Amino acid sequence: DAGVIQSPRHEVTEMGQEVTLRCKPISGHDYLFWYRQTMMRGLELLIYFNNNVPIDDSGMPEDRFSAKMPNASFSTLKIQPSEPRDSAVYFCASSLESGVEGYGYTFGSGTRLTVV
Amino acid sequence: AQSVSQHNHHVILSEAASLELGCNYSYGGTVNLFWYVQYPGQHLQLLLKYFSGDPLVKGIKGFEAEFIKSKFSFNLRKPSVQWSDTAEYFCAVYNTDKLIFGTGTRLQVFP
Repeated sequence: DAGVIQSPRHEVTEMGQEVTLRCKPISGHDYLFWYRQTMMRGLELLIYFNNNVPIDDSGMPEDRFSAKMPNASFSTLKIQPSEPRDSAVYFCASSLESGVEGYGYTFGSGTRLTVV
Repeated sequence: AQSVSQHNHHVILSEAASLELGCNYSYGGTVNLFWYVQYPGQHLQLLLKYFSGDPLVKGIKGFEAEFIKSKFSFNLRKPSVQWSDTAEYFCAVYNTDKLIFGTGTRLQVFP
């Protein structure tokens, strides 16, 4: 298995532009998580899905952020419009069963977003 | 809500020095605790985990952590660090379907 695949690896965009980050979880995993990593706040959970359904989006910072999971093999995180303070590394992770208490999370390599 | 605190933001050591990174959590009930490592330019990888049983947990690459319930702590230790241990280390607690991470500790090891 190729693991959790995120694209793009790096994204540089101008303030005000729409940004879409993509994630392909491991086949068969039924939980998908989006995290944001910054120097100030470390790793923050933004949103997570179970069987393609959003379960908890309380970590999404603003309405400018939205996430979808149209099917079991694909998820997007969209920022519209983007702002410089959105600059961070965004990680996607998937797991087979969250009910096994956190064991088995697999993280993607992340997308480094820079908004200028 | 559960939270995790890592008080050491940046640690600098020489090779062969001993390491201890602090981690405290807020929840008083049953907890599942983890340490993850992120090497430069790479994704997070699991170092070790604690669910129950022996409070001294051994992980990969010579790392270990001790769960002390009375102190709400789960500190990470290694007796002798190597240059290749240079990375960012995250403590995490499992809470209702998700992992809550601390802010991380950046470890730099110099030869």
